[in-house]
Amino acid sequence: SAVISQKPSRDICQRGTSLTIQCQVDSQVTMMFWYRQQPGQSLTLIATANQGSEATYESGFVIDKFPISRPNLTFSTLTVSNMSPEDSSIYLCSGGLQGQEQFFGPGTRLTVL
Amino acid sequence: GDSVTQMEGPVTLSEEAFLTINCTYTATGYPSLFWYVQYPGEGLQLLLKATKADDKGSNKGFEATYRKETTSFHLEKGSVQVSDSAVYFCALSGDSGNTGKLIFGQGTTLQVKP
Repeated sequence: SAVISQKPSRDICQRGTSLTIQCQVDSQVTMMFWYRQQPGQSLTLIATANQGSEATYESGFVIDKFPISRPNLTFSTLTVSNMSPEDSSIYLCSGGLQGQEQFFGPGTRLTVL
Repeated sequence: GDSVTQMEGPVTLSEEAFLTINCTYTATGYPSLFWYVQYPGEGLQLLLKATKADDKGSNKGFEATYRKETTSFHLEKGSVQVSDSAVYFCALSGDSGNTGKLIFGQGTTLQVKP
């Protein structure tokens, strides 16, 4: 298994600003992903974080709004840019070995005013 | 595309009642199937998994069997406790492209009353 931590755990931000969320895994994983969970909803995949190259984004998500970095096998960041109240959500990072289950971080609860 | 459908919630049960949460899926090939649980204010925890047809995943008294003929992975527990109150998500990981991406159902909220 893998233990995943995220920082910050929560934040309240003003519209038009940006927030960077960090995700750290305690062991090397081949796959890392970022999800969004809007209040009372299921998880929606934002993108696959690829080590050393551009992330692979799902339909409806773009790099300008959600830039992602993954400099090594255990660390990734997600930035939520030019925020609006509609970006208020829980953002979750996950990681795992290819073909096996994913483990999730505790999430970052973002409120945009 | 691949998809997962769960029974609508919330499900409200008395302690020691039998639990079933239905999950069906649509996928090409042979996906792996998972149940995750999310306790209030927390992230997702893997509850159990099954990687091929007829596999039974089990953990903490919960069970689910991978039924390819009915494309189902229903979650069951014989006697629920108040501490089982949480949101339960069924998910699949398709093998097409081996991307590892998880596709989630909409989640089912379980409330267990003493």
